[in-house]
Amino acid sequence: DQQVKQNSPSLSVQEGRISILNCDYTNSMFDYFLWYKKYPAEGPTFLISISSIKDKNEDGRFTVFLNKSAKHLSLHIVPSQPGDSAVYFCAASRPRGGSQGNLIFGKGTKLSVKP
Amino acid sequence: EAGVVQSPRYKIIEKKQPVAFWCNPISGHNTLYWYLQNLGQGPELLIRYENEEAVDDSQLPKDRFSAERLKGVDSTLKIQPAELGDSAVYLCASSWGRGTQYFGPGTRLTVL
Repeated sequence: DQQVKQNSPSLSVQEGRISILNCDYTNSMFDYFLWYKKYPAEGPTFLISISSIKDKNEDGRFTVFLNKSAKHLSLHIVPSQPGDSAVYFCAASRPRGGSQGNLIFGKGTKLSVKP
Repeated sequence: EAGVVQSPRYKIIEKKQPVAFWCNPISGHNTLYWYLQNLGQGPELLIRYENEEAVDDSQLPKDRFSAERLKGVDSTLKIQPAELGDSAVYLCASSWGRGTQYFGPGTRLTVL
Protein backbone atom coordinates (compact mmCIF):
# COMPACT_ATOMS: atom_id res chain seq x y z
CA ASP A 1 0.00 0.00 0.00
CA GLN A 2 1.22 3.44 -0.88
CA GLN A 3 1.72 5.61 2.16
CA VAL A 4 2.53 8.73 0.13
CA LYS A 5 0.35 9.45 -2.89
CA GLN A 6 0.71 11.93 -5.70
CA ASN A 7 -2.44 11.37 -7.69
CA SER A 8 -1.62 13.66 -10.59
CA PRO A 9 1.07 12.16 -12.83
CA SER A 10 1.40 15.40 -14.76
CA LEU A 11 0.54 19.09 -14.64
CA SER A 12 0.84 21.76 -17.32
CA VAL A 13 0.94 25.45 -16.40
CA GLN A 14 1.52 28.69 -18.27
CA GLU A 15 4.63 30.68 -17.44
CA GLY A 16 3.92 33.29 -14.76
CA ARG A 17 0.93 31.46 -13.33
CA ILE A 18 0.76 29.45 -10.13
CA SER A 19 1.64 25.75 -10.05
CA ILE A 20 0.02 23.67 -7.32
CA LEU A 21 1.28 20.15 -6.74
CA ASN A 22 -0.58 17.94 -4.31
CA CYS A 23 0.37 15.07 -2.06
CA ASP A 24 -1.62 12.88 0.33
CA TYR A 25 -0.34 10.54 3.01
CA THR A 26 -1.92 7.81 5.08
CA ASN A 27 0.33 7.46 8.11
CA SER A 28 -0.60 10.06 10.74
CA MET A 29 2.71 9.38 12.49
CA PHE A 30 4.76 11.02 9.72
CA ASP A 31 6.36 14.09 11.23
CA TYR A 32 8.43 15.64 8.47
CA PHE A 33 7.67 16.25 4.81
CA LEU A 34 9.88 17.22 1.92
CA TRP A 35 9.65 18.10 -1.75
CA TYR A 36 12.35 17.12 -4.21
CA LYS A 37 12.74 18.21 -7.81
CA LYS A 38 14.24 15.94 -10.45
CA TYR A 39 15.52 16.76 -13.91
CA PRO A 40 16.12 13.98 -16.46
CA ALA A 41 19.35 12.03 -15.92
CA GLU A 42 19.97 13.76 -12.59
CA GLY A 43 19.30 12.77 -9.01
CA PRO A 44 16.51 14.36 -6.97
CA THR A 45 17.35 17.82 -5.60
CA PHE A 46 15.99 18.98 -2.25
CA LEU A 47 13.57 21.87 -2.64
CA ILE A 48 11.71 22.61 0.57
CA SER A 49 10.52 20.88 3.72
CA ILE A 50 8.02 21.29 6.52
CA SER A 51 7.73 19.92 10.02
CA SER A 52 4.41 18.61 11.28
CA ILE A 53 4.34 21.36 13.92
CA LYS A 54 3.92 23.96 11.17
CA ASP A 55 1.26 24.47 8.55
CA LYS A 56 3.25 26.60 6.12
CA ASN A 57 6.84 27.09 5.04
CA GLU A 58 7.98 29.55 2.42
CA ASP A 59 11.22 29.86 0.47
CA GLY A 60 11.22 32.42 -2.32
CA ARG A 61 8.80 31.31 -5.02
CA PHE A 62 8.10 28.02 -3.26
CA THR A 63 5.59 27.52 -0.45
CA VAL A 64 4.56 24.24 1.13
CA PHE A 65 1.27 23.95 2.99
CA LEU A 66 0.45 21.13 5.40
CA ASN A 67 -3.07 20.15 6.45
CA LYS A 68 -2.61 17.48 9.09
CA SER A 69 -6.29 16.81 9.63
CA ALA A 70 -6.69 16.03 5.92
CA LYS A 71 -3.26 14.33 5.71
CA HIS A 72 -2.53 16.54 2.74
CA LEU A 73 0.27 18.80 1.66
CA SER A 74 0.76 20.97 -1.37
CA LEU A 75 3.59 22.79 -3.05
CA HIS A 76 2.86 26.19 -4.59
CA ILE A 77 5.22 27.74 -7.12
CA VAL A 78 4.57 31.40 -7.86
CA PRO A 79 5.31 32.58 -10.47
CA SER A 80 6.06 29.45 -12.46
CA GLN A 81 9.04 29.57 -14.80
CA PRO A 82 10.03 27.27 -17.70
CA GLY A 83 13.07 26.15 -15.68
CA ASP A 84 10.68 24.71 -13.09
CA SER A 85 9.70 22.00 -15.58
CA ALA A 86 10.74 18.78 -13.84
CA VAL A 87 9.34 15.84 -11.88
CA TYR A 88 8.43 16.78 -8.31
CA PHE A 89 8.49 14.14 -5.59
CA CYS A 90 6.74 14.43 -2.27
CA ALA A 91 8.41 12.52 0.59
CA ALA A 92 7.51 11.83 4.18
CA SER A 93 9.72 10.83 7.03
CA ARG A 94 8.99 7.67 8.92
CA PRO A 95 8.34 8.34 12.55
CA ARG A 96 11.65 8.62 14.34
CA GLY A 97 10.83 10.51 17.47
CA GLY A 98 10.61 13.85 15.72
CA SER A 99 13.83 13.72 13.68
CA GLN A 100 14.06 13.06 9.99
CA GLY A 101 14.56 9.43 9.23
CA ASN A 102 13.97 7.15 6.31
CA LEU A 103 11.98 8.77 3.53
CA ILE A 104 8.89 7.39 1.83
CA PHE A 105 8.44 8.91 -1.64
CA GLY A 106 5.39 9.40 -3.81
CA LYS A 107 5.47 8.48 -7.50
CA GLY A 108 6.06 12.05 -8.59
CA THR A 109 4.24 14.68 -10.66
CA LYS A 110 5.73 15.90 -13.91
CA LEU A 111 5.34 19.67 -14.16
CA SER A 112 5.54 21.37 -17.54
CA VAL A 113 5.70 25.16 -17.57
CA LYS A 114 4.96 26.54 -21.01
CA PRO A 115 6.37 29.88 -22.17
CA GLU B 1 31.47 21.84 -2.39
CA ALA B 2 31.32 18.58 -4.34
CA GLY B 3 28.06 16.70 -4.31
CA VAL B 4 27.43 12.99 -4.04
CA VAL B 5 29.47 11.16 -6.67
CA GLN B 6 28.32 7.90 -8.24
CA SER B 7 29.89 5.66 -10.83
CA PRO B 8 29.30 4.35 -13.32
CA ARG B 9 26.49 6.52 -14.64
CA TYR B 10 25.26 3.80 -16.98
CA LYS B 11 25.76 0.04 -16.99
CA ILE B 12 24.49 -2.61 -19.40
CA ILE B 13 24.97 -6.25 -18.49
CA GLU B 14 23.52 -9.60 -19.36
CA LYS B 15 21.37 -11.42 -16.83
CA LYS B 16 23.18 -13.61 -14.32
CA GLN B 17 26.25 -11.36 -14.46
CA PRO B 18 27.47 -9.50 -11.37
CA VAL B 19 27.47 -5.70 -11.18
CA ALA B 20 28.74 -3.17 -8.67
CA PHE B 21 27.95 0.50 -8.06
CA TRP B 22 30.13 2.96 -6.19
CA CYS B 23 29.17 6.03 -4.18
CA ASN B 24 31.22 8.78 -2.56
CA PRO B 25 29.09 10.92 -0.24
CA ILE B 26 29.39 14.62 0.49
CA SER B 27 32.42 15.26 2.68
CA GLY B 28 31.49 15.08 6.35
CA HIS B 29 28.20 13.29 5.83
CA ASN B 30 28.11 10.26 8.10
CA THR B 31 24.81 8.81 6.87
CA LEU B 32 24.62 7.15 3.48
CA TYR B 33 21.58 5.72 1.70
CA TRP B 34 21.09 3.49 -1.31
CA TYR B 35 17.77 3.80 -3.13
CA LEU B 36 16.21 1.96 -6.04
CA GLN B 37 14.07 3.90 -8.51
CA ASN B 38 11.95 2.02 -11.03
CA LEU B 39 10.48 3.79 -14.03
CA GLY B 40 7.53 5.95 -13.06
CA GLN B 41 8.07 5.39 -9.36
CA GLY B 42 9.66 7.31 -6.53
CA PRO B 43 12.92 6.20 -4.91
CA GLU B 44 12.66 3.29 -2.49
CA LEU B 45 15.19 2.79 0.27
CA LEU B 46 17.39 -0.30 0.06
CA ILE B 47 19.82 0.30 2.90
CA ARG B 48 20.91 3.07 5.27
CA TYR B 49 24.35 3.37 6.85
CA GLU B 50 25.31 5.45 9.83
CA ASN B 51 29.07 5.60 9.61
CA GLU B 52 30.11 2.04 8.75
CA GLU B 53 27.09 0.39 10.35
CA ALA B 54 24.10 -0.73 8.28
CA VAL B 55 21.29 0.43 10.57
CA ASP B 56 18.41 -0.38 8.23
CA ASP B 57 18.73 -3.04 5.53
CA SER B 58 15.22 -4.41 5.86
CA GLN B 59 14.38 -3.66 2.21
CA LEU B 60 17.59 -5.06 0.75
CA PRO B 61 17.03 -8.40 -1.09
CA LYS B 62 19.84 -10.20 0.64
CA ASP B 63 19.83 -13.26 -1.61
CA ARG B 64 21.43 -11.30 -4.44
CA PHE B 65 22.18 -7.82 -3.14
CA SER B 66 25.00 -6.82 -0.83
CA ALA B 67 26.49 -3.52 0.28
CA GLU B 68 29.46 -2.34 2.24
CA ARG B 69 30.84 0.86 3.68
CA LEU B 70 34.05 -0.34 5.22
CA LYS B 71 35.63 2.93 6.40
CA GLY B 72 32.45 4.89 6.87
CA VAL B 73 32.95 6.98 3.74
CA ASP B 74 32.64 5.35 0.27
CA SER B 75 30.12 2.62 -0.31
CA THR B 76 29.61 -0.16 -2.84
CA LEU B 77 26.35 -1.85 -3.76
CA LYS B 78 26.59 -5.20 -5.51
CA ILE B 79 24.13 -7.44 -7.31
CA GLN B 80 25.06 -11.02 -8.02
CA PRO B 81 23.57 -12.46 -10.12
CA ALA B 82 21.58 -9.72 -11.83
CA GLU B 83 18.07 -10.45 -13.07
CA LEU B 84 15.99 -8.72 -15.74
CA GLY B 85 13.82 -7.10 -13.05
CA ASP B 86 16.84 -5.35 -11.57
CA SER B 87 16.88 -2.85 -14.44
CA ALA B 88 16.38 0.49 -12.71
CA VAL B 89 18.20 3.58 -11.48
CA TYR B 90 20.25 3.10 -8.32
CA LEU B 91 20.56 6.29 -6.31
CA CYS B 92 22.95 7.09 -3.51
CA ALA B 93 22.22 9.88 -1.01
CA SER B 94 24.02 11.24 2.03
CA SER B 95 23.19 13.41 5.01
CA TRP B 96 24.61 14.65 8.27
CA GLY B 97 22.82 12.50 10.80
CA ARG B 98 19.18 12.40 9.86
CA GLY B 99 19.26 15.80 8.20
CA THR B 100 18.32 16.64 4.65
CA GLN B 101 19.34 13.97 2.18
CA TYR B 102 21.32 14.97 -0.90
CA PHE B 103 21.25 12.66 -3.88
CA GLY B 104 23.82 11.69 -6.46
CA PRO B 105 22.99 11.47 -10.18
CA GLY B 106 22.33 7.73 -10.00
CA THR B 107 23.46 4.69 -11.99
CA ARG B 108 21.09 3.50 -14.68
CA LEU B 109 21.31 -0.30 -14.89
CA THR B 110 20.02 -2.23 -17.88
CA VAL B 111 19.94 -6.01 -17.61
CA LEU B 112 19.54 -7.82 -20.95
